[in-house]
Amino acid sequence: AQKITQTQPGMFVQEKEAVTLDCTYDTSDQSYGLFWYKQPSSGEMIFLIYQGSYDEQNATEGRYSLNFQKARKSANLVISASQLGDSAMYFCAMRGVSASKIIFGSGTRLSIRP
Amino acid sequence: GAVVSQHPSRVICKSGTSVKIECRSLDFQATTMFWYRQFPKQSLMLMATSNEGSKATYEQGVEKDKFLINHASLTLSTLTVTSAHPEDSSFYICSARPSGGGSNQPQHFGDGTRLSIL
Repeated sequence: AQKITQTQPGMFVQEKEAVTLDCTYDTSDQSYGLFWYKQPSSGEMIFLIYQGSYDEQNATEGRYSLNFQKARKSANLVISASQLGDSAMYFCAMRGVSASKIIFGSGTRLSIRP
Repeated sequence: GAVVSQHPSRVICKSGTSVKIECRSLDFQATTMFWYRQFPKQSLMLMATSNEGSKATYEQGVEKDKFLINHASLTLSTLTVTSAHPEDSSFYICSARPSGGGSNQPQHFGDGTRLSIL
């Protein structure tokens, strides 16, 4: 069985600071993919970043980077230089090779203070 | 980029009504689409996997007779909430992944349907 755990229900960060959103996972698959999505209050799901289990380097996409520690089964999202528009729910997700579906963690609500 | 269109965005109807939600992949083909349900301030819970040309695969605890899924083409899946009741009120969101895409392909999501049953 696969499981995604996000232990931070909510976070407050000052604008322009960096923030790390935690994510740990559990899977018996040897090959899997990890995703982060952003969900603003309007409800749409916005894909941010992907990390493959066999990728040797941490993924980066603009201000987003993924701190992937395979041995610890963690895939934390780092947002550099936070902006007011970053305020949203953030979901960590995983897809194993044995399943085409993606399962989601419980999410972290990020609030950026001006 | 890949776009998934979901319609309608909001539905308000009386108890006992059946409601159909459409999910279309606009610029790619999707053999498989996914339907999620999200309660306020909670995560997305997978309801079912919609397979083109065959029966949907439902997650444990999801009533297949209540939530009818049809995936008649490579670009369209529909979810029908039959005889909806107030407890069915929720945010329903679909997603799709391009057919033949690698494991690093993200699922693209529609904008969701907010269903309110009076």
